[in-house]
Amino acid sequence: QKEVEQDPGPLSVPEGAIVSLNCTYSNSAFQYFMWYRQYSRKGPELLMYTYSSGNKEDGRFTAQVDKSSKYISLFIRDSQPSDSATYLCAMRGGSEKLVFGKGTKLTVNP
Amino acid sequence: EPEVTQTPSHQVTQMGQEVILRCVPISNHLYFYWYRQILGQKVEFLVSFYNNEISEKSEIFDDQFSVERPDGSNFTLKIRSTKLEDSAMYFCASNPGLVVFETQYFGPGTRLLVL
Repeated sequence: QKEVEQDPGPLSVPEGAIVSLNCTYSNSAFQYFMWYRQYSRKGPELLMYTYSSGNKEDGRFTAQVDKSSKYISLFIRDSQPSDSATYLCAMRGGSEKLVFGKGTKLTVNP
Repeated sequence: EPEVTQTPSHQVTQMGQEVILRCVPISNHLYFYWYRQILGQKVEFLVSFYNNEISEKSEIFDDQFSVERPDGSNFTLKIRSTKLEDSAMYFCASNPGLVVFETQYFGPGTRLLVL
């Protein structure tokens, strides 16, 4: 089983839709969870981070972590064409090493 | 807002040549990292660096790779003898390192092509 699994998509939605992005993981030592956004040929840009289980909201973005199911989600409300990018989940345990998912490519159509 | 910067943005080299990729982490950050992303694949951890020494490295980071902080602002990744499979996007990242949980801020990357 891969350490972090993420459906690569692509995912295409109309403007204004609610988008749900997900990752599963196998390493129970992971306790810090992040979502990055990556535009084509650019560096990952930090969107949100959470520690352990629970929800965190920031504007149109909500991150959820369910450690019991080893499942994390990112919801984007009222999606905009500017949200079109690849979304990467990343996580770590006690070390500094971030383990990334493969990324989900999202297109929001006007 | 402070950013991690990387130079060059693109580098083309011949197999067997040495390359040095340069990064300027965010000022006052204490932890520095290199990651790479082969086209179409995951971002992969290479090495972390703290207090002027390597704190963790992956199995990818073999003897062909080295890192250095030559002064108070730059952080470099050297590949001694490049191979075709070293072609990838290389990202530098930094972390403030002041509290228990801090995340990593990435630079725009250097695209390395080995011919």
